[in-house]
Amino acid sequence: GQQLNQSPQSMFIQEGEDVSMNCTSSSIFNTWLWYKQEPGEGPVLLIALYKAGELTSNGRLTAQFGITRKDSFLNISASIPSDVGIYFCAGQLRRGNTPLVFGKGTRLSVIA
Amino acid sequence: SAVISQKPSRDICQRGTSLTIQCQVDSQVTMMFWYRQQPGQSLTLIATANQGSEATYESGFVIDKFPISRPNLTFSTLTVSNMSPEDSSIYLCSVLGTSGVYNEQFFGPGTRLTVL
Repeated sequence: GQQLNQSPQSMFIQEGEDVSMNCTSSSIFNTWLWYKQEPGEGPVLLIALYKAGELTSNGRLTAQFGITRKDSFLNISASIPSDVGIYFCAGQLRRGNTPLVFGKGTRLSVIA
Repeated sequence: SAVISQKPSRDICQRGTSLTIQCQVDSQVTMMFWYRQQPGQSLTLIATANQGSEATYESGFVIDKFPISRPNLTFSTLTVSNMSPEDSSIYLCSVLGTSGVYNEQFFGPGTRLTVL
């Protein structure tokens, strides 16, 4: 099946630092999404991207849909302790009623 | 966005038994999915729950092991049958909902299953 390569696998950062993670694929995706999962919870949608080259922000989070449609990145600026969690990228091959393909996740730890 | 609830939130089961997980959505949705998340792993799609017809299973998942029902547009169940310790995972219900122009996929809180 389709696979998304997400990196880094884990990050340990100081509070206040910026964070960057990315996702790549050998296939073209029409939609890229970024989710955050905290312990004991389901993934929560952070940002959805629908057009190649699109750059979207949600508070301190910024994500971009790569021009080639084969990659996306997520940046978190000025990290805070509540940013701790696992961040997943997800792609949709065809827009519409098709399920998502997920990356393996980036586990973020923030040291106060 | 859709509000999704799952029951039970967690369970500990003996091998060889079966567990049915319920998923309830607060609005009618076209698409419902079931995912499995093994410890420390990403999400893997089990099947698409189709209203009024048999679920569509992904490679590696079969109906005998994971029977799914979807009697209407707001409810679905997933049964994990003849469980073994390898079935210990978080099982997540997901729906395609509308947020603005496009459909987006939302997740329930998950059911944490431990098989002894």
